[in-house]
Amino acid sequence: SQQGEEDPQALSIQEGENATMNCSYKTSINNLQWYRQNSGRGLVHLILIRSNEREKHSGRLRVTLDTSKKSSSLLITASRAADTASYFCAAYGGATNKLIFGTGTLLAVQP
Amino acid sequence: DTGVSQNPRHKITKRGQNVTFRCDPISEHNRLYWYRQTLGQGPEFLTYFQNEAQLEKSRLLSDRFSAERPKGSFSTLEIQRTEQGDSAMYLCASSPGAAQPQHFGDGTRLSIL
Repeated sequence: SQQGEEDPQALSIQEGENATMNCSYKTSINNLQWYRQNSGRGLVHLILIRSNEREKHSGRLRVTLDTSKKSSSLLITASRAADTASYFCAAYGGATNKLIFGTGTLLAVQP
Repeated sequence: DTGVSQNPRHKITKRGQNVTFRCDPISEHNRLYWYRQTLGQGPEFLTYFQNEAQLEKSRLLSDRFSAERPKGSFSTLEIQRTEQGDSAMYLCASSPGAAQPQHFGDGTRLSIL
């Protein structure tokens, strides 16, 4: 079964608004990664945050990590219609050598 | 950047038939991963290779599934005696090393009639 849970399952916002997605995981991690998936396509890597980091920025993306709570959040600022996609967090644990994906958040940005 | 390529994109087959999918990773990446994704879910890990060595297999990978990566280049995933429950998107990804971001192909969507 999948390790991560994401919240909310679905999110609908207007263009220009911010979108926040939350992720929880179950075991210790080496890093946590966020991916985006457009319908019918493969996943695209967005950002990676290491276990010793608390916050990371990349363009309009801001990721936080709280290892004590085993949780992460992804903030997309000033959203655009093109941001419409599913977003997945994925925990990488050094002991397991693999990514464990969450259930995803389906984001819809209305123009 | 040629990216990760998967073929075919779609496969429709009858229950009980064998199917084989191919993945061509980014050429300099030594790690290759296979995942299965069903509708509304995140990808589930199936197996991964470091060069030509298959280092880990998920318990999801029954004995009807086999994967190879001859010469550490492209990889194939074969499913024998397909069942209805095998219907899913099969995704391949590659990375330059452990704990690195993975680059995904667009997947092969398998439909079992």
